[in-house]
Amino acid sequence: DAGVIQSPRHEVTEMGQEVTLRCKPISGHDYLFWYRQTMMRGLELLIYFNNNVPIDDSGMPEDRFSAKMPNASFSTLKIQPSEPRDSAVYFCASSPKDLYEQYFGPGTRLTVT
Amino acid sequence: RKEVEQDPGPFNVPEGATVAFNCTYSNSASQSFFWYRQDCRKEPKLLMSVYSSGNEDGRFTAQLNRASQYISLLIRDSKLSDSATYLCVVNLNYQLIWGAGTKLIIKP
Repeated sequence: DAGVIQSPRHEVTEMGQEVTLRCKPISGHDYLFWYRQTMMRGLELLIYFNNNVPIDDSGMPEDRFSAKMPNASFSTLKIQPSEPRDSAVYFCASSPKDLYEQYFGPGTRLTVT
Repeated sequence: RKEVEQDPGPFNVPEGATVAFNCTYSNSASQSFFWYRQDCRKEPKLLMSVYSSGNEDGRFTAQLNRASQYISLLIRDSKLSDSATYLCVVNLNYQLIWGAGTKLIIKP
């Protein structure tokens, strides 16, 4: 199994630009999670989906962030417009039927200048 | 007070020693608990779930103390490869709350 796939692995962009992060979960997994990790704030859950439906988006910082899951094999996290404080590693994770046994992707390291 | 707290460390431990660290949680209604391991610049990986009766997986033992509201992780006969950050996760009403992690460094 290929595991959770994320792209791009690294992204450097200028403030104000739109950023789109992509995730392909493990086939057959019903749950998909988006996280953000920084030194200051640690690992934060942004949003999670069950069977492509957003269940809890209370961690999404503000309206500049949006996430979609158009089908079971693809999700995007979009930041528009991006700001320097959005610089972080963004992880996508999926889990089979259990909410807690999560398999993480390698992450996207985002730098906003 | 944070909902989930961990000593950030680092814990510097000689190879072969036993090391233990805790994770405290503030809400007594928390329902389930997990330990994840994260290597430097890598993604977190599930290490083990924490059951009420305690559970063991090789050199690793996890315990839950509901009265004092903490979970613990004990590593016996530590290896250099155990060097990592250990994150605890608490489930409260289907909300997953992550600790900031404890950094462990095993020295030869």
